[in-house]
Amino acid sequence: EDQVTQSPEALRLQEGESSSLNCSYTVSGLRGLFWYRQDPGKGPEFLFTLYSAGEEKEKERLKATLTKKESFLHITAPKPEDSATYLCAVFSGGYNKLIFGAGTRLAVHP
Amino acid sequence: DGGITQSPKYLFRKEGQNVTLSCEQNLNHDAMYWYRQDPGQGLRLIYYSQIVNDFQKGDIAEGYSVSREKKESFPLTVTSAQKNPTAFYLCASSSERGTDTQYFGPGTRLTVL
Repeated sequence: EDQVTQSPEALRLQEGESSSLNCSYTVSGLRGLFWYRQDPGKGPEFLFTLYSAGEEKEKERLKATLTKKESFLHITAPKPEDSATYLCAVFSGGYNKLIFGAGTRLAVHP
Repeated sequence: DGGITQSPKYLFRKEGQNVTLSCEQNLNHDAMYWYRQDPGQGLRLIYYSQIVNDFQKGDIAEGYSVSREKKESFPLTVTSAQKNPTAFYLCASSSERGTDTQYFGPGTRLTVL
């Protein structure tokens, strides 16, 4: 069965302390991996789409990378405003739908 | 500004009531989706529609119904048959069904009294 697992469930960082979030997946026919940011009580905000292993995308302090089995969201020198839940989703060619992970709750403290 | 709107932001339902959640988009997207979000779980697909007057069940369609009479609108009805409806409901749209990026609305929080 297609599955997406995000780790850790929660992460606490000091401002400026860089780290990475992991998204591992097992899907039949990867056709795209998506990262979203979600603030409490709001809808997910699109960040990145990755389509093939080796692909990388950057936006401000965030950088997303993709391998054949997992994706990483690297956060460089985070600020308190980066605090949010980060969601990973994979488009499964086998099931023809997006499969979401449970998310990583990130808290960045001054 | 183009985007997706959902209303109401908060909704309270009594036992045995049907309630309807609104979703409107002005992105000229063909595909629209409804997801349910529960704490500690990934988003789960309720229904999706690729074109007007056509929609398909997702993973957890039981107790829900939808319609797609206009390209811009995709309302979701939570019926009394849905036994555990308390959740955060998210509407999304994409230009086409498939690998195109899905963009989300702000969500509706439904609580059963």
